[in-house]
Amino acid sequence: QQQVKQSPQSLIVQKGGISIINCAYENTAFDYFPWYQQFPGKGPALLIAIRPDVSEKKEGRFTISFNKSAKQFSLHIMDSQPGDSATYFCAASISGGYNKLIFGAGTRLAVHP
Amino acid sequence: GAVVSQHPSRVICKSGTSVKIECRSLDFQATTMFWYRQFPKKSLMLMATSNEGSKATYEQGVEKDKFLINHASLTLSTLTVTSAHPEDSSFYICSARDLRQAPNEKLFFGSGTQLSVL
Repeated sequence: QQQVKQSPQSLIVQKGGISIINCAYENTAFDYFPWYQQFPGKGPALLIAIRPDVSEKKEGRFTISFNKSAKQFSLHIMDSQPGDSATYFCAASISGGYNKLIFGAGTRLAVHP
Repeated sequence: GAVVSQHPSRVICKSGTSVKIECRSLDFQATTMFWYRQFPKKSLMLMATSNEGSKATYEQGVEKDKFLINHASLTLSTLTVTSAHPEDSSFYICSARDLRQAPNEKLFFGSGTQLSVL
């Protein structure tokens, strides 16, 4: 079921820095790519999502960059804060039907003060 | 965003007993809910798709007799772990889609249930 590959597995960033997490997918039928943030012991929360018809989407400090030809997308967290320390998951799904989300392996982000 | 409530948040049970986990969509109707399982420091693995008024669809390798899913109403899906064993200990998370919101692929998650089987 591993159709979405995520890297790095863990990431340490200094406060104020930029956190970058990358994902690559295999199935060209995927047409919805969300990013989720998860804190320990909690369910994932939707951060931001993108469709293949745009190359970039920005919401506050979070930006998704999408490269359709390379089948890659990434999450950029600008001005990273200690409160951003969490596990981030990329995911992908196909519109129509049940839209099952396939998750990447996750990236544990630690933002140091 | 839409609210998905999951209960209980934590449960400890003895081996051989059954445990029921509830997932409710609080402010919207969900014809479809999804159940995920997550091991420590691992990703979410889809277990099954719960359909209101019909049988659930299980992912390959998931024992449907072990993990019973019932979706009796548009706001409630339950997962029952039958005859639980220590290897069933995991974090179980439900999710639902609010079709009122665009894009309708948006998936909202419950807060999860940590199951520990002794």
